[in-house]
Amino acid sequence: NAGVMQNPRHLVRRRGQEARLRCSPMKGHSHVYWYRQLPEEGLKFMVYLQKENIIDESGMPKERFSAEFPKEGPSILRIQQVVRGDSAAYFCASSPIQSNNSPLHFGNGTRLTVT
Amino acid sequence: EDKVVQSPLSLVVHEGDTVTLNCSYEVTNFRSLLWYKQEKKAPTFLFMLTSSGIEKKSGRLSSILDKKELFSILNITATQTGDSAIYLCAVVIQGAQKLVFGQGTRLTINP
Repeated sequence: NAGVMQNPRHLVRRRGQEARLRCSPMKGHSHVYWYRQLPEEGLKFMVYLQKENIIDESGMPKERFSAEFPKEGPSILRIQQVVRGDSAAYFCASSPIQSNNSPLHFGNGTRLTVT
Repeated sequence: EDKVVQSPLSLVVHEGDTVTLNCSYEVTNFRSLLWYKQEKKAPTFLFMLTSSGIEKKSGRLSSILDKKELFSILNITATQTGDSAIYLCAVVIQGAQKLVFGQGTRLTINP
């Protein structure tokens, strides 16, 4: 039973390019959460999605960042026109129901480096 | 603003020592507190604490929550080099589908 799968593991982009990060939730899970971890910091909530719906995007920067979780396929976190400050580890977690009663389990993350 | 603060930020001890990591929080609507261990990859779940005063234990690790004083501690006894990691504390907010994380404690165990 595979856990949360993220790819790519490492992504290098030049300033101004687009970054697309993918997250496949655990089998049977319909809720996905994205978190960002800057160097030497804890994880910060970005967005919570259910299939085809964004439920809470209060942690997403207002510009350049978007997320989706289509009916079929993985969840995608998209960063347009990347800047150096976007360099971070991006973690995804999934749950079968709302996560309040069970701990989140995270994927291995995508480490984005903007040069 | 909801806030979780961990201390110390960094700790270096010798193998065999006992360590105590601290996590304090100020949140609007507390539901539960989680501890994670992060090595080079994903944070891995250790404990979930909901009630005060009930110790959770797993091998050499244990944790307890004090909801009156708004803090939790994570104890590791007889530390081993494999315990070297960043330990993250996170609070679940009632009614919100998100975790608020502390900045982590980087623990280094020297042989």
